[in-house]
Amino acid sequence: SQTIHQWPATLVQPVGSPLSLECTVEGTSNPNLYWYRQAAGRGLQLLFYSVGIGQISSEVPQNLSASRPQDRQFILSSKKLLLSDSGFYLCAWSLTEGQDYGYTFGSGTRLTVV
Amino acid sequence: GIQVEQSPPDLILQEGANSTLRCNFSDSVNNLQWFHQNPWGQLINLFYIPSGTKQNGRLSATTVATERYSLLYISSSQTTDSGVYFCAAYNNDMRFGAGTRLTVKP
Repeated sequence: SQTIHQWPATLVQPVGSPLSLECTVEGTSNPNLYWYRQAAGRGLQLLFYSVGIGQISSEVPQNLSASRPQDRQFILSSKKLLLSDSGFYLCAWSLTEGQDYGYTFGSGTRLTVV
Repeated sequence: GIQVEQSPPDLILQEGANSTLRCNFSDSVNNLQWFHQNPWGQLINLFYIPSGTKQNGRLSATTVATERYSLLYISSSQTTDSGVYFCAAYNNDMRFGAGTRLTVKP
C-alpha cells in the first residue's frame, strides 16, 4: 500500500534562517506531488506541484522554492525565512494517470518563524 | 479557476444529532473529495466522490455533478467528529473550499 511521510512534524526557526521540509512517498511510482500551506487554521493554498523529477510548477510568487530530486521525494525550501512563512505545511500525492483515488496527504509540518 | 464554496462555515451540534454539509463548485469537475481535518491538523480522506453516493459508517456523501454540488451527511454525531471538513473539487490541481468547522458537544 502507498504511504506518505513528511517531516519534521514541528519546527521553530528564526527569521532569516534557511528551511528544508521533506516529503517522501512509498508504494507507488511517478506520482504527482504537491505542497500546500494552511494559515490560521483554515483554507489550504496550493504552493507547488510536480508531475515528474525536476518538474516544478509554482502557483504563487513567494519566498519558498520546491525541488524533486527523486521520483518519490519532494522538498520545500527557503534561503531566508520570513515571519509570514509561518503556517502548517502539507505534502500530498496523487496518481498521474487518472485520479480515481484522489489525493492523499501527509501529516503536516507546523512551522513557526520567530 | 474553479471556485469552491462550503456552507455553513461553522456548525455546533449536540452529540447524537445529524448534520448536512454542503459544497458548491463553480464549474464542471472530474474529481471531488471530502476531507476531515482533526484537531492535530491531519487531513483524513473521507470520500472520493465525483458523482453518486457513497456511505462509510455514520458518514455518507452525495455528489450531483450536473448541478455542481456535493453533500456530506453525518449521522449520530460524536465528539470525535469535531474538526474542519473540507471539500475539494478539481480537474487537475486540487482547490479547497474554506471548510466547515464542526463542534460536537457532549
